[in-house]
Amino acid sequence: SQTIHQWPATLVQPVGSPLSLECTVEGTSNPNLYWYRQAAGRGLQLLFYSVGIGQISSEVPQNLSASRPQDRQFILSSKKLLLSDSGFYLCAWSGRITDTQYFGPGTRLTVL
Amino acid sequence: KQEVTQIPAALSVPEGENLVLNCSFTDSAIYNLQWFRQDPGKGLTSLLLIQSSQREQTSGRLNASLDKSSGRSTLYIAASQPGDSATYLCAVIKGNNRLAFGKGNQVVVIP
Repeated sequence: SQTIHQWPATLVQPVGSPLSLECTVEGTSNPNLYWYRQAAGRGLQLLFYSVGIGQISSEVPQNLSASRPQDRQFILSSKKLLLSDSGFYLCAWSGRITDTQYFGPGTRLTVL
Repeated sequence: KQEVTQIPAALSVPEGENLVLNCSFTDSAIYNLQWFRQDPGKGLTSLLLIQSSQREQTSGRLNASLDKSSGRSTLYIAASQPGDSATYLCAVIKGNNRLAFGKGNQVVVIP
């Protein structure tokens, strides 16, 4: 069966510090991968998606970036965090064609 | 731009009552629609996926309908239980399986 992991589970970082969140998927190959953010008072927003290694598409302009160094690994990064980057970050995967999307447990990021 | 709206934002019902949660979307050119459940501080659990060619999908006490032409979906939860207390999220599926979410229906089932 497929499993999706995210770490860390929680993170408190000062403004201006770098960020690296990791997501890995087990039990499937060639998944589509997604990063979403859920900010207080706002709905879930798609940040990035990837249909293959090294292929990243951004949905919204921001100071975040994403990378996919391996088939089942998706990384969300920032060089300098802003207060507005605080939120709940969720990674998800799906099959190649329109299919159910499965979410990881999330990372709670607080920028102080 | 696709906009997804969920009404009501929050509701409380006594145990045993049926729940009706509404979702509307502005662009009917969607692939599919998916309903999720989110418990506080947790990730999302998929409940039902409705293909764009389908009218409804059922799983146990859950039934979701889809009317693409009017841009609406409804999630019915029969005979609600306290364990059904959660936030329910509707998401429409666009190209490359990208999801556009509503803000959710926060449900409390009162024992």
